[in-house]
Amino acid sequence: DGGITQSPKYLFRKEGQNVTLSCEQNLNHDAMYWYRQDPGQGLRLIYYSQIVNDFQKGDIAEGYSVSREKKESFPLTVTSAQKNPTAFYLCASSIRTGVLSGELFFGEGSRLTVL
Amino acid sequence: AQRVTQPEKLLSVFKGAPVELKCNYSYSGSPELFWYVQYSRQRLQLLLRHISRESIKGFTADLNKGETSFHLKKPFAQEEDSAMYYCALKDFGNEKLTFGTGTRLTIIP
Repeated sequence: DGGITQSPKYLFRKEGQNVTLSCEQNLNHDAMYWYRQDPGQGLRLIYYSQIVNDFQKGDIAEGYSVSREKKESFPLTVTSAQKNPTAFYLCASSIRTGVLSGELFFGEGSRLTVL
Repeated sequence: AQRVTQPEKLLSVFKGAPVELKCNYSYSGSPELFWYVQYSRQRLQLLLRHISRESIKGFTADLNKGETSFHLKKPFAQEEDSAMYYCALKDFGNEKLTFGTGTRLTIIP
């Protein structure tokens, strides 16, 4: 079954703890993304990666970190420095170049609640 | 910096009536624009892109560079069109995609 897999779907953490959200894809896509979705604010880009071992900050990268050691994987760590971490997180991937670039394939999301 | 604005958070339309979801953008270069849709209990997915100039599920969108707009239109709304719609802009030269805040469209039977 091809696509984007995010885990866990639901996660509860205590304030001050770091948490890592997993994102795996088997679509052979070069580019991967992390977005945060909050009510009334749409999707805001946290980090994106266009190729293995490279990534760029999005619009709201503070308090988050990522790695891209493998093409298939793009984990997101929500650190204790993120002031408002409770949110719905979406991972996506896309072909990097050509007419099909810009079409993002999304995961089902991970809902993080910090208590 | 690039920016996408969707002025309507909520839009209700009667079945059979025309639909127009507004999207305006600000970008200093030549933009690539997209509409994404999220149906209830489904993943967010691409609806259409401006370079394709095609109609998907009866929806069309025309890029108006003079008005910096990319409004999504459908002449006759159907109940299955009820969903969340996001306009998005792609940065030229890289893969950064910026989304608007979204419009929730409800079709009234």
